Amino acid sequence: NAGVTQTPKFQVLKTGQSMTLQCAQDMNHEYMSWYRQDPGMGLRLIHYSVGAGITDQGEVPNGYNVSRSTTEDFPLRLLSAAPSQTSVYFCASSFRGLTAYEQYFGPGTRLTVT
Amino acid sequence: AQTVTQSQPEMSVQEAETVTLSCTYDTSESDYYLFWYKQPPSRQMILVIRQEAYKQQNATENRFSVNFQKAAKSFSLKISDSQLGDAAMYFCAYRRADSGGSNYKLTFGKGTLLTVNP
Repeated sequence: NAGVTQTPKFQVLKTGQSMTLQCAQDMNHEYMSWYRQDPGMGLRLIHYSVGAGITDQGEVPNGYNVSRSTTEDFPLRLLSAAPSQTSVYFCASSFRGLTAYEQYFGPGTRLTVT
Repeated sequence: AQTVTQSQPEMSVQEAETVTLSCTYDTSESDYYLFWYKQPPSRQMILVIRQEAYKQQNATENRFSVNFQKAAKSFSLKISDSQLGDAAMYFCAYRRADSGGSNYKLTFGKGTLLTVNP
């Protein structure tokens, strides 16, 4: 199992550009989510999905879109990048259920918007 | 809304000594999970230990143990026999226990940067 993979690892964008951060998992997890990590802020939830075709907003969704067409993939789209979106982005996944304790994190994508 | 507070932005410990990282949380729920995650310089988030709120016994994983005080809403992490590889950012996190959609959300504290001195 590759676990949770994210691409790219690093990205530099200019203000106004668009891009998609890719996330994939091969563990057949129903639940997937995106977090952003900023210095001194911990990790904050952007969007999440409880299964293919189902997505919902988290704590900081503005400026980001997601879709979930397959169980394996959960891409995060920035339609018009802003400097405030400079951050490290983590994708995470887990099984659903009362004993689904652990969320598995990808290696992160460091995004810089100039 | 649930909040998680880590009051120590930075801590340091001598190799082989013991260190305790503090975490408090606020919730109106009676059933939930608490976690400690480690983030080394590689950026990878690694689950260190978890505690189910309904369990009175404190969780232990090798050199890592927690002191869970439900009434005080406190969840500290003790690292015994500290090693150089323990140096990392440590995050305390909370999750509701029922399996509804948004309840898988992890609420994180701001982190404690642990330095281990040789």
